[in-house]
Amino acid sequence: EIVLTQSPATLSLSPGERATLSCRASQSVSSYLAWYQQRFGQAPRLLIYDVSNRATGIPARFSGSGSGTDFTLTISSLEPEDFAVYYCQQRSNWQITFGQGTRLEIK
Amino acid sequence: QITLKESGPTLVKPTQTLTLTCTFSGFSLSTVGVGVGWFRQPPGKALEWLALIYWDGDKRYSPSLNSRLTLTKDTSKNQVVLALTNMDPVDTATYYCAHRPLSFGSDWFDPWGQGTLVTVSS
Repeated sequence: EIVLTQSPATLSLSPGERATLSCRASQSVSSYLAWYQQRFGQAPRLLIYDVSNRATGIPARFSGSGSGTDFTLTISSLEPEDFAVYYCQQRSNWQITFGQGTRLEIK
Repeated sequence: QITLKESGPTLVKPTQTLTLTCTFSGFSLSTVGVGVGWFRQPPGKALEWLALIYWDGDKRYSPSLNSRLTLTKDTSKNQVVLALTNMDPVDTATYYCAHRPLSFGSDWFDPWGQGTLVTVSS
């Protein structure tokens, strides 16, 4: 099973700042890496698929990058509604796993 | 517009079988490339993938739960049913289903249902 490790566990920033979230895989996941946002009490929402493709309706301030085992989700300028938990997800060898999440909180 | 909604019991007893139904609209599970996935999230914890069924009937299960899970689909009713046997209090979680769009080589999910909280207790 491929393990995804997200860092940091908690990120404290202010609106307008840049957020950089990391997801590291225990082995290569090629380009099969997605990111989700989960606001409190809500279902997850797809942000990014296949490393760097924004899902429909996702603002341009969200971007994804990386390859192999190291991936990054960047939020260029935080809006109040961006404070939430973020998960990365991979699919490899017909198995799907998620990271443990990064909580983005208001500083 | 694609929507999905989970339904089923909110409380089950230990050792019972949980049966959840995902009823969806806006797509057909007979369309090449699509699928429906199931996930769960214990209170305050991370997401966990459970199972995935594809348009062609192919099914994939989480290795850790494979022996307890069964997925079926009813294309005419736009439903996917998940069964999880031998429920235990550690299976208490919010259960989600989600749409797997046509993609090549990858599995990602959009959108998700609202989720349903299932509590396991005697």
